[in-house]
Parts: sequence; C-alpha cells; structure tokens
Amino acid sequence: KNEVEQSPQNLTAQEGEFITINCSYSVGISALHWLQQHPGGGIVSLFMLSSGKKKHGRLIATINIQEKHSSLHITASHPRDSAVYICAVAPVGGAQKLVFGQGTRLTINP
Amino acid sequence: NAGVTQTPKFRILKIGQSMTLQCTQDMNHNYMYWYRQDPGMGLKLIYYSVGAGITDKGEVPNGYNVSRSTTEDFPLRLELAAPSQTSVYFCASTNPYGGGGELFFGEGSRLTVL
Repeated sequence: KNEVEQSPQNLTAQEGEFITINCSYSVGISALHWLQQHPGGGIVSLFMLSSGKKKHGRLIATINIQEKHSSLHITASHPRDSAVYICAVAPVGGAQKLVFGQGTRLTINP
Repeated sequence: NAGVTQTPKFRILKIGQSMTLQCTQDMNHNYMYWYRQDPGMGLKLIYYSVGAGITDKGEVPNGYNVSRSTTEDFPLRLELAAPSQTSVYFCASTNPYGGGGELFFGEGSRLTVL
C-alpha cells in the first residue's frame, strides 16, 4: 500500500460542477501539499496545509490530521481547471522529503 | 522575482554522454530537490539538499550526482547517460522554517537519451 493514496485517479466532469479530490496518508506529517500540473507543463503549488482549511479563489483545501485525510475542492469548475492534481506529504522529521500520491487527472468538459 | 530557474528545457543525449542540469533559485531557500517524472508516473526524488555543502540521496540516485556549493545553485550531473534516464526533471526549493513552506518548482527539463 502506498503511503499516500489519492482518489479518484481520473475524474471527468462538466463545467460548473463541484469537484472533490481526496488524499489519504499513513504516516505522521508536518505538512501536506496540493500541487497542480497541466499537461506537458510545470508544477505549481496550490496549498500547503498543516491543519484546518485554506481557500484561494475557487479552490478549497481541508485537512484532518487525526484521520490522516485531506480534500481538495474546486467550486464552479472550468475547462482551464483540467490538470493533474497531486497530493504530497512531508513526513515528520524527514527533511521535507515529500512523499507523493500518484495524482488525479481531472478533465472538465465545456 | 525569477523563482526557480532550470536549464536546459530540452536536451537529447547519446548513450554514454554526460551533462549537467542547472538549477538556480533566488529566494534564499535552504532546501532544494531534484525529481524525475517518467511518463504517466509520479515524481521520484533523486537528490536533495538542506543547505550549502549538504546533500543526500533520495529514492533513485544511481547514475546522478549533485553539489551544493552555494545556497542558490543545485546542479544535477548525469554521468554516462542511459536510456533509462529519459525523463522530465524538476528542480524545487522551499524554506520550511521561515518562508511558509510553500514549494516552488522549476519549469522542468525534458531529457531524451538515445
């Protein structure tokens, strides 16, 4: 079993739908990152969380440390949100050596 | 603010050749990383550094070397290139203790070994 599991692996939705991507992990962490990678493109950091909830525009990220679970939500999804979303955790005492999930490929159709 | 700059963006190598991927950051980050991403796969850590003069191996260090003589620069050296090193390479940096911990990635370097 991977230390970081994301679900779903692939997600296709219509423009405007509310999107949820989940991330579960099995180790103690100091932080969790959500990253975005467009096809053929670079990697952009969306959020870094150690507790609670953060919001940037239409994106919301939450984390439950006790349950070792995080979710990334996208409200009013748009075709430009189509990308791979990657969850990565920084294990405690691990020199910020991130452990990555396999990613969730999101496609938003117009 | 340039962030993390990687060069070159694309390179084709012949088997057995050597090259260096350059990575520079201007955010005074202590922590720097090199990852590789194979097609359809997740990121794998090659080497990392927690400060100038300090480097350590990640998951997949074989065939690579790094150095960290300054805070800004973290070059990745490929010796005796092999087809298995065909991949996209990303450099990243962060300052977990004073900079909020956000990760910054370079744009990637696409390497093909033929």
